[in-house]
Amino acid sequence: EVQLVESGGGLVKPGGSLRLSCAASGFTFSSYSMNWVRQAPGKGLEWVSSISSSSSYIYYADSVKGRFTISRDNAKNSLYLQMNSLRAEDTAVYYCARDGSNRPDTDGMDVWGQGTTVTVSS
Amino acid sequence: SYVLTQPPSVSVAPGQTARITCGGNNIGSKSVHWYQQKPGQAPVLVVYDDSDRPSGIPERFSGSNSGNTATLTISRVEAGDEADYYCQVWDSSSDHRKVFGGGTKLTVL
Repeated sequence: EVQLVESGGGLVKPGGSLRLSCAASGFTFSSYSMNWVRQAPGKGLEWVSSISSSSSYIYYADSVKGRFTISRDNAKNSLYLQMNSLRAEDTAVYYCARDGSNRPDTDGMDVWGQGTTVTVSS
Repeated sequence: SYVLTQPPSVSVAPGQTARITCGGNNIGSKSVHWYQQKPGQAPVLVVYDDSDRPSGIPERFSGSNSGNTATLTISRVEAGDEADYYCQVWDSSSDHRKVFGGGTKLTVL
């Protein structure tokens, strides 16, 4: 079964850091571009970051650029999001999502995890 | 920055056809993807590359894209189709990024 499972969410104070992980199974992880997408409480979907299959291409939303770092370990079938200098507005459910190819600019995001909740509050 | 505009809500009776629009500057030149999200669940891709359906998505879901408007059409609407729907594109015009529309709440009357 194709599956993505996020972990690492939790409660963190403003200015703090958190590292999210996404474990992939059931498909050849190294062949696909991957993404992080978040959803603030009661709000719509917001793209956060994308990384190509070989990590050659990495893109960030302006709202997180310079604070968040996306990475992947194809040997461990895992995707990561290092989040630093967290703000209250980063509070959201964070989803890991697979692109339909090895590039983020084609197809759509065809496999999603169930999400992990990040709450930034003092 | 590229903006996608969706109506906040669309209502339709069961068995009728629902059309959800996604407006953007020359969106017809981009590939549009559509996602369905039910409360408390992760999004599901229902249409990709304007009009293709992933395996397992009913033929009742279809898409089109031309000019400044992309449209998701749901035929023979069922109660289980009630959800939020989001359009999404890849914007390479200025900075490379994925862009989502604000979402449309589909209510089945």
